[in-house]
Amino acid sequence: DIQMTQSPSSMSVSLGDRVTITCRASQDIGNYLSWYQQKPEKSPKLMIYGATNLEDGVPSRFSGSRSGSDYSLTINSLESEDTGIYFCLQHKQYPFTFGSGTKLEIK
Amino acid sequence: QVQLTESGPGLVHPSETLSLTCTVSGFSLTGYSVYWVRQPSGKGLEWMGRMRYNGDTSYNSALKSRLSISRDTSKNQVFLKMNSLQTDDTGTYYCTRGPMYTTDYYVMDAWGQGASVTVSS
Repeated sequence: DIQMTQSPSSMSVSLGDRVTITCRASQDIGNYLSWYQQKPEKSPKLMIYGATNLEDGVPSRFSGSRSGSDYSLTINSLESEDTGIYFCLQHKQYPFTFGSGTKLEIK
Repeated sequence: QVQLTESGPGLVHPSETLSLTCTVSGFSLTGYSVYWVRQPSGKGLEWMGRMRYNGDTSYNSALKSRLSISRDTSKNQVFLKMNSLQTDDTGTYYCTRGPMYTTDYYVMDAWGQGASVTVSS
């Protein structure tokens, strides 16, 4: 199975800060990488697909990038509504696998 | 409007079988895949398996011996059955939509609200 190593596991940041969350794939997954945001007691929400494509309705302060086997989700100028847990997902190969999650809180 | 809704028993006894239904609207099961994903309480997400647009299925090898996914296109429903449940199967079970083709980047764009399942005697 492809392992997705996600870091950090949690972060506490200030409003207006720039945030970067990273997932490293254990095998080549190309751009078959998505990012999801999950609020407490809610279902995950698609934020980024194809490593770099912004889902409709997601604020433009969110962006995705790739450098080799490292995939990053960046939030420019953090807002209070951005708190939650963020997961990456690889869907290049079955079984699909998720990163372990990053809990994002406001300092 | 795309919707997925999970339904099923909230409580299952150890060693028994879990049966969940995902009822979809706003799209056709013959045009999209449906995945099952679960989340143990307070933990991360695990992909369980999928029903493709053409009726093919794939399963997570970690669960394959216990898991079965089927569908009824006339009722817009996808079914999950998992046997031999244990306490560590407790969590929230989601169905989510996937693309027709595995080469598509656009996956899990819509999710159900989740079905909470507790395995306890």
